[in-house]
Amino acid sequence: AQSVTQLDSQVPVFEEAPVELRCNYSSSVSVYLFWYVQYPNQGLQLLLKYLSGSTLVKGINGFEAEFNKSQTSFHLRKPSVHISDTAEYFCAVIKRGFQKLVFGTGTRLLVSP
Amino acid sequence: KAGVTQTPRYLIKTRGQQVTLSCSPISGHRSVSWYQQTPGQGLQFLFEYFSETQRNKGNFPGRFSGRQFSNSRSEMNVSTLELGDSALYLCASSLGGGQEETQYFGPGTRLLVL
Repeated sequence: AQSVTQLDSQVPVFEEAPVELRCNYSSSVSVYLFWYVQYPNQGLQLLLKYLSGSTLVKGINGFEAEFNKSQTSFHLRKPSVHISDTAEYFCAVIKRGFQKLVFGTGTRLLVSP
Repeated sequence: KAGVTQTPRYLIKTRGQQVTLSCSPISGHRSVSWYQQTPGQGLQFLFEYFSETQRNKGNFPGRFSGRQFSNSRSEMNVSTLELGDSALYLCASSLGGGQEETQYFGPGTRLLVL
């Protein structure tokens, strides 16, 4: 069975500092990888996704992620965060052949001035 | 284009009752998936519908059911509510239901079971 591990439940950071949110997945078959963001009292919004090709994926709001097959990781990064980036971030996978997102437990990013 | 809409946004029910939640996908989208979000279990897949047929199902008891109409609108029903069914229920739509497609999420329906 596939699973997704987000190692940090909460990441505090100061405004304009860089941030990395970690995600590792386990699967014996090929997967597609996603990062979603959830703002308070809202649904999920896609930040970026990896399907194939270049391992560095750029998304919205200045976020990027790097797919590392040997380490089965898909860490999310932003070089300089804003207060408005405060939200919960979810890493997710879909196993090829199944229409079912499997989510990690989420990482709460707290940006302070 | 309007996004995914879910009604109602908030709902309070008592144990033993049943509830129906509604989801209207983005125009032109034919796949609708449902997810349950709780603090303890996180985000879990309930089921997915495409062209009025359930294609995938998660590990939830039979009290959870759904359907999709010819206009792609979907409903999910929970019968004999339990306290543990309190959750945010999210629906997501995608164009053709392909695994590589982006799923667009609605704002959710927050259900509280007393």
